[in-house]
Amino acid sequence: EVQLVESGGGLVQPGGSLRLSCLVSGFTSEDYALHWVRQTPGKGLEWVAGITWNSATIAYADSVKGRFSISRDNVKKSLYLQMSSLTMEDTALYYCVKDMSTDNYFYFMDVWGQGTMVTVSS
Amino acid sequence: DIQVTQSPSSLSASVGDRVIISCRASQSISRFLNWYHHKPGEAPKVVIYGATSLQSGVSSRFSGSGSGTDFTLTISSLQPEDVGIYYCQQSFSTVCSFGQGTKLEI
Repeated sequence: EVQLVESGGGLVQPGGSLRLSCLVSGFTSEDYALHWVRQTPGKGLEWVAGITWNSATIAYADSVKGRFSISRDNVKKSLYLQMSSLTMEDTALYYCVKDMSTDNYFYFMDVWGQGTMVTVSS
Repeated sequence: DIQVTQSPSSLSASVGDRVIISCRASQSISRFLNWYHHKPGEAPKVVIYGATSLQSGVSSRFSGSGSGTDFTLTISSLQPEDVGIYYCQQSFSTVCSFGQGTKLEI
């Protein structure tokens, strides 16, 4: 069974940092692109960042560029999101998502984790 | 960056109705347009990918059309389990983006 399990969410103060992790299983994770997508109550789904199978292509939404960093460790079958300079607008449920692309571009998101909640508040 | 805009933002229909949701991209994205269905408390699921391809396991009452900048998702006969929020998403650019969502109710 294909699974993506996120961890690392929690409560953090504005200006703080947090690192999210996603452990993948049930498929050859090193073959596929992965993303972070977040859900906020007021704004629906927002794509955050994506990384291709070999990390050759990495992209970020304008809202997080310069503050967030996506990376992956194919040996550990893990995806990461390092978040810094957090603001209240970053409060959301963060999903780890598998893409069907095995190339250096993105295609469509076919498997989603259950999400990890990040709350930015003083 | 490429923006995608959905319409309507909300929709109420009856069981058995034909439902159409539209998505417009700010520039041509060929057929790099995907549709997702999101129910409260669940993870989103892809319904249509590549503008017209039905994801495995998804009911054939769902269909997608369009290319370039204008796309539609059609539900031929609305069922109670189809309620939720539908999102379009473009992957033409490496900077992906979702539409703002269409809330579908019965």
